[in-house]
Amino acid sequence: AQTVTQSQPEMSVQEAETVTLSCTYDTSESNYYLFWYKQPPSRQMILVIRQEAYKQQNATENRFSVNFQKAAKSFSLKISDSQLGDTAMYFCAFMKSGGSNYKLTFGKGTLLTVNP
Amino acid sequence: GAGVSQSPSNKVTEKGKDVELRCDPISGHTALYWYRQSLGQGLEFLIYFQGNSAPDKSGLPSDRFSAERTGGSVSTLTIQRTQQEDSAVYLCASSLVIGGGPLYGYTFGSGTRLTVV
Repeated sequence: AQTVTQSQPEMSVQEAETVTLSCTYDTSESNYYLFWYKQPPSRQMILVIRQEAYKQQNATENRFSVNFQKAAKSFSLKISDSQLGDTAMYFCAFMKSGGSNYKLTFGKGTLLTVNP
Repeated sequence: GAGVSQSPSNKVTEKGKDVELRCDPISGHTALYWYRQSLGQGLEFLIYFQGNSAPDKSGLPSDRFSAERTGGSVSTLTIQRTQQEDSAVYLCASSLVIGGGPLYGYTFGSGTRLTVV
C-alpha cells in the first residue's frame, strides 16, 4: 500500500515571497504519478501540477514548480511570487500507473496562508 | 455540464436517518470516484466506477454505505442509518481514462458537507 506524508500541517508566507511545501511518499511501484491539489474555502479540489515518475525533468506550471527526487521519494511544491489567492489547503497525492483502479492516495494536507 | 456537479451542497440529518448524495460527472468521463474528507484526516477513497466494469468498493467503511452509477453517468452515494462519525465532506471526481491512466487527471466537484446530529 502507498502512503503519502505531508509533515507541515500549516505554513504562512508573505505576499510576493517564495514558499516550499514538503511531501514524501512510500511505494514499491516503479511507475506512478504524483500530484499537488489546491483546495480553497470553496471546497473544490483544483489540480495544481502533475509529475510522471518516469520523467526526470521537474514539472512547472507558471509560478508553481516541483522538486521531484525519485530515489528519496520526495515531491515538494515551490510557489514563487505568492499571491493572496494562493491561500488554501494543499494536498499531495499519489496514483499508481496502469492496473485497473486509478485511485489517488492523499496526504493530510498543508494549510497555506499568504499574508499581505 | 462544464464541471462535476454535486448535490446537495450541505445536508443536515438526524442520526439513524438515510441520506442520498448525488454526483453528476463531466459528460463523457468514464471513471467516477467518491472520496470522504473528514476534519484533519485528509481524503479517504470510498468507491470507484470505470465504464461497465464492476466497481471497486474496497474503500467503503461499512455495509451502511453503498453507491451506484446509472447509465454510466450520474452516481448516488447512499448512507443508511447515519451515525455522527459519518459527518464529513463527500467529494466526487470524474476522469477520462485512456490507456495507462486518467488522461488529464481528475476533476472534482465541490462536495456535499454532511452533518449528522
